[in-house]
Amino acid sequence: NAGVTQTPKFQVLKTGQSMTLQCAQDMNHEYMSWYRQDPGMGLRLIHYSVGAGITDQGEVPNGYNVSRSTTEDFPLRLLSAAPSQTSVYFCASSYSGGENEKLFFGSGTQLSVL
Amino acid sequence: GENVEQHPSTLSVQEGDSAVIKCTYSDSASNYFPWYKQELGKRPQLIIDIRSNVGEKKDQRIAVTLNKTAKHFSLHITETQPEDSAVYFCGAGGFKTIFGAGTRLFVKA
Repeated sequence: NAGVTQTPKFQVLKTGQSMTLQCAQDMNHEYMSWYRQDPGMGLRLIHYSVGAGITDQGEVPNGYNVSRSTTEDFPLRLLSAAPSQTSVYFCASSYSGGENEKLFFGSGTQLSVL
Repeated sequence: GENVEQHPSTLSVQEGDSAVIKCTYSDSASNYFPWYKQELGKRPQLIIDIRSNVGEKKDQRIAVTLNKTAKHFSLHITETQPEDSAVYFCGAGGFKTIFGAGTRLFVKA
């Protein structure tokens, strides 16, 4: 199992450009989520999904779109990149049900918006 | 929505000493409280978690305590080692965990 795979690992954008961060998991997890990590601010939840076709907003959703057409994939779209979106982005998945609600994180995407 | 506060933001201890990190949460409906460790340049990884029907859980040198009434939970690391140096995050919730701002732990050899 590869676990949670994120691409790309690094990306530089100009203000106003759009792009999609890819996330895929091969653990058949129902739940997936996106976080951004900024120094001193921890991990903040952007969007999450409880299954194919179902998404919802987290703490900081503005400027981002998501969709979940399959169980495996959960891409994050930046519609018009802004310098404030410079951050490290982590995708995570977790098993639904049972006592274990552990998040499995991808390796992250470091995004710089100039 | 849920809000999680974490203290201290930085903690420096001597090797062999204990370290304690404290968190509070706001939503009384939360029932799952994980702790993640993140080493420099790596992804966060779960080190221990606790559910609201349990007051304390221990795994070797790591323990977590939960006070539901006070909406307060803590991470205790005993006999700290240099490899414990990392950033630690507390959280509330499962698949949509809300995290605290993190504690950077330095263990001095």
